[in-house]
Amino acid sequence: EAGVAQSPRYKIIEKRQSVAFWCNPISGHATLYWYQQILGQGPKLLIQFQNNGVVDDSQLPKDRFSAERLKGVDSTLKIQPAKLEDSAVYLCASRRGQSSYNEQFFGPGTRLTVL
Amino acid sequence: GQNIDQPTEMTATEGAIVQINCTYQTSGFNGLFWYQQHAGEAPTFLSYNVLDGLEEKGRFSSFLSRSKGYSYLLLKELQMKDSASYLCAVRDNRGSTLGRLYFGRGTQLTVWP
Repeated sequence: EAGVAQSPRYKIIEKRQSVAFWCNPISGHATLYWYQQILGQGPKLLIQFQNNGVVDDSQLPKDRFSAERLKGVDSTLKIQPAKLEDSAVYLCASRRGQSSYNEQFFGPGTRLTVL
Repeated sequence: GQNIDQPTEMTATEGAIVQINCTYQTSGFNGLFWYQQHAGEAPTFLSYNVLDGLEEKGRFSSFLSRSKGYSYLLLKELQMKDSASYLCAVRDNRGSTLGRLYFGRGTQLTVWP
């Protein structure tokens, strides 16, 4: 079974520029998550989708961050405009269903550096 | 929100046993996960506990006490490849946060030869 795919793996931009990340979850996984992981910290949830609907975006800085999951499969996360403090690894994860024992599978992440 | 606490760093020698502790506070507890994360890589699932007790899986075991808000991950017969960050994560099913995981900062384990 193919894992969670993300691209690009690395991105360097200047502050105030825009950037977008792409995620393709494991086939058949209804739930998709975007996390932000700052160096030395654990992942922090930004947004959770169930199929193509948003379940939880309470931690998403909506003035600059946006995400969508058209057709309930692939997802994109956008930052516009970026700030220095957005430098982090952005992880996408997916989960099969709602059962509590289903673990989340993580993609390799996109390492963003904002200069 | 949740308050998940785990040690920042631990060291051990090859072949030894190490226990990584995690304490948490949450009112919507619905499971605790341990993930392993090597530097520059994605977290990978190690274990899941939702009931009190010990879950064993090869060299790794995880324990949970819900009344104490406490878990530990036990690694036996340590190998060099076990050097990684170990993340404790609590699932909270309250309200709109269905299935949401709250992660600790991670414990960086270094295994010496």
